[in-house]
Amino acid sequence: EDQVTQSPEALRLQEGESSSLNCSYTVSGLRGLFWYRQDPGKGPEFLFTLYSAGEEKEKERLKATLTKKESFLHITAPKPEDSATYLCAVVLSGGYNKLIFGAGTRLAVHP
Amino acid sequence: GAGVSQTPSNKVTEKGKYVELRCDPISGHTALYWYRQSLGQGPEFLIYFQGTGAADDSGLPNDRFFAVRPEGSVSTLKIQRTERGDSAVYLCASSGQNSGANVLTFGAGSRLTVL
Repeated sequence: EDQVTQSPEALRLQEGESSSLNCSYTVSGLRGLFWYRQDPGKGPEFLFTLYSAGEEKEKERLKATLTKKESFLHITAPKPEDSATYLCAVVLSGGYNKLIFGAGTRLAVHP
Repeated sequence: GAGVSQTPSNKVTEKGKYVELRCDPISGHTALYWYRQSLGQGPEFLIYFQGTGAADDSGLPNDRFFAVRPEGSVSTLKIQRTERGDSAVYLCASSGQNSGANVLTFGAGSRLTVL
């Protein structure tokens, strides 16, 4: 069964304290891996797409990396406004853009 | 419009009632998706439309759930004989050739509460 697992479930950081979120996946074939950010009461907002092992994408304080079995979202020197739930999702090869999501990591950054 | 619009933003209903949730996708997006998100969980796929037709409805939990997209734009998710377990946020997303790497753009969701 295709599965996406995110860890930790929740993470509390002090402002400026760098850390990483993990997304591990077990799928029949990976076409792409997506990271989304979700704020309370809002829909997920697209951050990155990664397609092949070794690929990296960066945006401000965030950097996403991909291996054959997992992806990491690295947060460098986070600020309180980075507080949100970060969702990882995969799209399987041979199909359309149907996202299979993990449960997310709730990140809280305190000043 | 500029984004995906969903109405109502909140719906409270009683067990056994019928509800309709509406999604207005980004103009020109041919693909439309419905997802359901329970508290503390990631979104769960329900149904996918390509144009007017439902290309994949494998995520609909049972025959009380139905969705239509008659003109290939606006979509309505219909839930009959609602149950307390249907309480969740229902998210709509759309994508198209202008969305970049087939990225799904989500609306803010419709929060359904069944009493």
